Amino acid sequence: QKEVEQDPGPLSVPEGAIVSLNCTYSNSAFQYFMWYRQYSRKGPELLMYTYSSGNKEDGRFTAQVDKSSKYISLFIRDSQPSDSATYLCAMNPGGGNKLTFGTGTQLKVEL
Amino acid sequence: GAVVSQHPSWVICKSGTSVKIECRSLDFQATTMFWYRQFPKQSLMLMATSNEGSKATYEQGVEKDKFLINHASLTLSTLTVTSAHPEDSSFYICSATTSGQTTDTQYFGPGTRLTVL
Repeated sequence: QKEVEQDPGPLSVPEGAIVSLNCTYSNSAFQYFMWYRQYSRKGPELLMYTYSSGNKEDGRFTAQVDKSSKYISLFIRDSQPSDSATYLCAMNPGGGNKLTFGTGTQLKVEL
Repeated sequence: GAVVSQHPSWVICKSGTSVKIECRSLDFQATTMFWYRQFPKQSLMLMATSNEGSKATYEQGVEKDKFLINHASLTLSTLTVTSAHPEDSSFYICSATTSGQTTDTQYFGPGTRLTVL
């Protein structure tokens, strides 16, 4: 079993839809949780980060962490074609430890 | 802020030659830099972790004599692929983080696409 599980997709939604992306993990030591967006042939771009459990909102993006269930989510409201990319979740225990990535979910927002 | 650059963005080389890839943090001091490789439609695979002024720590299965990493300053790390072969063709991405950050977030470069003929 992988430490971090993420559905690879592809996930296809119409423009304007609410998108829900999720990851589950098994290591209870993880404290920092991040979402990265990666366009084709580009490096990952940090979208959101959260520490421990809770919600964080930034514009159309909301990140949720439920440590009791070992489950994290990224919601994208009013999705746009420009949101079409691969979304990677990542996490670590902190203290300079390396990140553990999910496999990434490929999202396509169609007109 | 937190911009990381890589050079070159793409490179094609002949089998047997060596290729050097540079990773720079442009507006912050990177105490730690990471090197990843990524195959098409796959996630990032960590190759090594490098701290300024010390030897890199390689992940299991990564040949340290083949992938030479130097982190000579707080803003520059280099990855040299020695005696490159076609199976080394991949997308190489670096990331950087700085001490004192509570988030431990990593900021990624744009990647370097290496093609070995």
